[in-house]
Amino acid sequence: DTGVSQDPRHKITKRGQNVTFRCDPISEHNRLYWYRQTLGQGPEFLTYFQNEAQLEKSRLLSDRFSAERPKGSFSTLEIQRTEQGDSAMYLCASSLTGVDYGYTFGSGTRLTVV
Amino acid sequence: AQSVTQLGSHVSVSEGALVLLRCNYSSSVPPYLFWYVQYPNQGLQLLLKYTTGATLVKGINGFEAEFKKSETSFHLTKPSAHMSDAAEYFCAVSLRGNQGGKLIFGQGTELSVKP
Repeated sequence: DTGVSQDPRHKITKRGQNVTFRCDPISEHNRLYWYRQTLGQGPEFLTYFQNEAQLEKSRLLSDRFSAERPKGSFSTLEIQRTEQGDSAMYLCASSLTGVDYGYTFGSGTRLTVV
Repeated sequence: AQSVTQLGSHVSVSEGALVLLRCNYSSSVPPYLFWYVQYPNQGLQLLLKYTTGATLVKGINGFEAEFKKSETSFHLTKPSAHMSDAAEYFCAVSLRGNQGGKLIFGQGTELSVKP
């Protein structure tokens, strides 16, 4: 198992464009989380899935953001009509059921909106 | 509501010196507590966690932390700093019994190690 994989590692886009990120979790992990991290801050929760069901969304996740996890495997996070304020590191993590297991994080996708 | 406060956004120590990174939490119920480390342009790696049982927990790379309920603290220590310990460290909390497992992170402490 190669851990949690995120693609791309870096994305530069023009304001107003749509972007999509992909996360491949550890295969036996049924939970998948998306976090956003801006410079000098800790990660902020965006949303999480248990299998294919999206069970919680943060108020940070505006209607321009959508996440999916078809078939309970990989997940995608799409941002429509990007804004400069969307520039951040987007982190994906996965875990087994039960918070005491802790997360395994991917290396993140760094988004720059110009 | 849960929250995490990390005292000191930046800590600098000499190689071989004690490392102490402070974390205080606020939670209405007994929490699960975690420390993560982040190297530049990388994701976060779990250092250690407290869930139940012994309040002094040992993690990777010689780090340990002690859960002190009376002080609502979970400070991270290492007896002797190494240059490779230079990184960003995050304390996180999750509610016991929170079926979603959502973690709330502190703002982080950047550790610098001087030769």
